[in-house]
Amino acid sequence: EAGVAQSPRYKIIEKRQSVAFWCNPISGHATLYWYQQILGQGPKLLIQFQNNGVVDDSQLPKDRFSAERLKGVDSTLKIQPAKLEDSAVYLCASSLSPGGGDNEQFFGPGTRLTVL
Amino acid sequence: GNSVTQMEGPVTLSEEAFLTINCTYTATGYPSLFWYVQYPGEGLQLLLKATKADDKGSNKGFEATYRKETTSFHLEKGSVQVSDSAVYFCALSAGGTSYGKLTFGQGTILTVHP
Repeated sequence: EAGVAQSPRYKIIEKRQSVAFWCNPISGHATLYWYQQILGQGPKLLIQFQNNGVVDDSQLPKDRFSAERLKGVDSTLKIQPAKLEDSAVYLCASSLSPGGGDNEQFFGPGTRLTVL
Repeated sequence: GNSVTQMEGPVTLSEEAFLTINCTYTATGYPSLFWYVQYPGEGLQLLLKATKADDKGSNKGFEATYRKETTSFHLEKGSVQVSDSAVYFCALSAGGTSYGKLTFGQGTILTVHP
């Protein structure tokens, strides 16, 4: 089966510009996650969707980050305006349901963002 | 809050050496524990997991045992290969309002030389 797809793979922008990332989860997966992975650190959850509803966005910097999953399938994550500290790899993951130990999260290849 | 601490890295070993990567955690309740691996140029993959105390997860020769008394989930392999070179992440998933959310450690870079 096809894995989690993300695009673009790489993006370079200047600070204060806007950028959007796209994620298409594995077919049938109801739960979708966006993680931010800063160089040398582990991924950190930004937002979790269950179908098209937000379950957890407590770590999302809402003054500049937004995300949507309108039809409960693919999702976009936007940054506007970008700051230097937003340079990171943005990972999308999906799972059948949010069950902690019983439902594996499958990760996409990530989008590497560089803010100059 | 929940947190995961991994041993400081990077780790460099010769082929066929024994590997241990330490992982300890802090969590409320009874989390599930995971090891994820990221090979060069690839995405994160689940390596193994354990969902309750004293469970042992295993895969591809790697093992880790869920130790509730020491809040640890150390990763071990008896004989590493060059192909095991990768970044290894310990993670937990706890219940509550963020059911399913993974909390990761900072990662340990493993390099295996022939």
